[in-house]
Amino acid sequence: NAGVTQTPKFQVLKTGQSMTLQCAQDMNHNSMYWYRQDPGMGLRLIYYSASEGTTDKGEVPNGYNVSRLNKREFSLRLESAAPSQTSVYFCASLTGTGGFGYTFGSGTRLTVV
Amino acid sequence: QQQVKQSPQSLIVQKGGISIINCAYENTAFDYFPWYQQFPGKGPALLIAIRPDVSEKKEGRFTISFNKSAKQFSLHIMDSQPGDSATYFCAASIEDQFYFGTGTSLTVIP
Repeated sequence: NAGVTQTPKFQVLKTGQSMTLQCAQDMNHNSMYWYRQDPGMGLRLIYYSASEGTTDKGEVPNGYNVSRLNKREFSLRLESAAPSQTSVYFCASLTGTGGFGYTFGSGTRLTVV
Repeated sequence: QQQVKQSPQSLIVQKGGISIINCAYENTAFDYFPWYQQFPGKGPALLIAIRPDVSEKKEGRFTISFNKSAKQFSLHIMDSQPGDSATYFCAASIEDQFYFGTGTSLTVIP
């Protein structure tokens, strides 16, 4: 099915470990986004990429890096994980046709201990 | 600084009742106002959206009311059903960037 695919779905890290969250979309969208979702805080933008080869910081970029590998893939990297990064992470791409809005992936639930 | 303020945080409604969720914004440059529905363990999904040149949009049991002068918009769910139980997020966008409210957890009691 067409959409946004995120891997892994669940991950437990120890403080200081690194990992990369993967995201791929097969809808030929230009813009892709990474959000984190925390209770009572809604969805907060970490980084976004308006097109292949470009990335920009969002509201909460500290502690994260991103790579727009090609038009399909947009990865999020935690270089040295901290407990404050325990969250649910969502990748999204921007839908320009039909309803104008994001198509979200199913999320990655990350716990840092 | 929360760009979009959403209330209430949680809402319990009887089956067949009307669910109302409210949002307010400050930035008058926002030009698109979508609502997203999220079920547990899933990503948010676009439910309905409105642009500021109209005051109301209806799709089935879901209606957005938009008050440009008050900088407020709301989601009304008519004849609420247990299957509507989910978290709802309002959002506002400008230049392909979306700002989300903090979410409302809706529970519809049978």
